[in-house]
Amino acid sequence: KQEVTQIPAALSVPEGENLVLNCSFTDSAIYNLQWFRQDPGKGLTSLLLIQSSQREQTSGRLNASLDKSSGRSTLYIAASQPGDSATYLCAPCRGGNKLVFGAGTILRVKS
Amino acid sequence: DAGVIQSPRHEVTEMGQEVTLRCKPISGHDYLFWYRQTMMRGLELLIYFNNNVPIDDSGMPEDRFSAKMPNASFSTLKIQPSEPRDSAVYFCASSSSGTAYEQYFGPGTRLTVT
Repeated sequence: KQEVTQIPAALSVPEGENLVLNCSFTDSAIYNLQWFRQDPGKGLTSLLLIQSSQREQTSGRLNASLDKSSGRSTLYIAASQPGDSATYLCAPCRGGNKLVFGAGTILRVKS
Repeated sequence: DAGVIQSPRHEVTEMGQEVTLRCKPISGHDYLFWYRQTMMRGLELLIYFNNNVPIDDSGMPEDRFSAKMPNASFSTLKIQPSEPRDSAVYFCASSSSGTAYEQYFGPGTRLTVT
């Protein structure tokens, strides 16, 4: 059974800092991995999807890497802004299109 | 595109009543998923469909829960009878084999059973 761990559980940083969110998963036989953002009381917004054959994906200030063999993914946020404050969720996808979610990292960026 | 549409956004009902949640996936997507989110258990997959056919319902908690997808643009999740422990946010998501199965989520339905 896939288990997903996200570290840290919560993070508070001043505006402008670069930061790294970590995700580890126990079953490396994944098809892809998605990173999501969830604002309080809202749905999930897909940030990045990394396919199993890829090592990283970039979108604006976000960069996600994937090391499938070691069961790890990281989300790097450059020059953080208060608008980045949210919960970030990691979800590897195994066969059958099934996502398994971590508990998330709650990020607060202080102005 | 309007994205995934869910209704109602909020539902408050009494224990024992029937509840029906509705979802319209993104046009052209061939996968549809129902998730439940609670503080205690996080996000859990309940059931998913491919081309309107249920593929995996192993996450459905009890026989009180049922889901249907009568056509490519509509799905329902029904709880009958509802119980207070069913209180949660229910999300619908859809994806397409043509876009590497990236899942897009709806805004969710917040269900409160009193």
